[in-house]
Amino acid sequence: EAGVAQSPRYKIIEKRQSVAFWCNPISGHATLYWYQQILGQGPKLLIQFQNNGVVDDSQLPKDRFSAERLKGVDSTLKIQPAKLEDSAVYLCASSLVKGGIDEQFFGPGTRLTVL
Amino acid sequence: GDSVTQMEGPVTLSEEAFLTINCTYTATGYPSLFWYVQYPGEGLQLLLKATKADDKGSNKGFEATYRKETTSFHLEKGSVQVSDSAVYFCARLGGTYKYIFGTGTRLKVLA
Repeated sequence: EAGVAQSPRYKIIEKRQSVAFWCNPISGHATLYWYQQILGQGPKLLIQFQNNGVVDDSQLPKDRFSAERLKGVDSTLKIQPAKLEDSAVYLCASSLVKGGIDEQFFGPGTRLTVL
Repeated sequence: GDSVTQMEGPVTLSEEAFLTINCTYTATGYPSLFWYVQYPGEGLQLLLKATKADDKGSNKGFEATYRKETTSFHLEKGSVQVSDSAVYFCARLGGTYKYIFGTGTRLKVLA
């Protein structure tokens, strides 16, 4: 079974530029999550989708971050414009069902460096 | 608010040493508890989990027991190997179905 795919793996941009990350979850997984992992910290949930609807985006900085999950499969996370403090690893995860004790499967992440 | 606190690393051990990584959580209700592991260059992988008090999760020689009285979920392994070198994250899943992770503990095992 293929895992969660993310691209690109690495991205370096200058502040005020825009960037987009892509995630392809495990086939059949209804729930998709985007996390931000700053160096030395644990992952922080940015947004959670159930199929193509948003379940929780309370920690998403909506003035600069946006995410969509068209057709309930792939998802993109965009930052526009980027700030220095956005430098982090952006992790995508998926799970079969919403919430409960269902295991989340993580992709390898995209490491973003903002200069 | 809900939180998870882990011991700070890095933890450096010799091969075959005993490992303990402490984890405590704030308790609103009865969350499910998890340990995830992140090997270099890879995503997080579920290592073990426990869903109620006194449950013991175990996998690959690692164990953790859900202790409600001390709100703890310490990770233990009797004999670590070089291949166990990684970052370990404790996490809780509460009533809002939101994972809350600790800051991670880096383990380095020397041959």
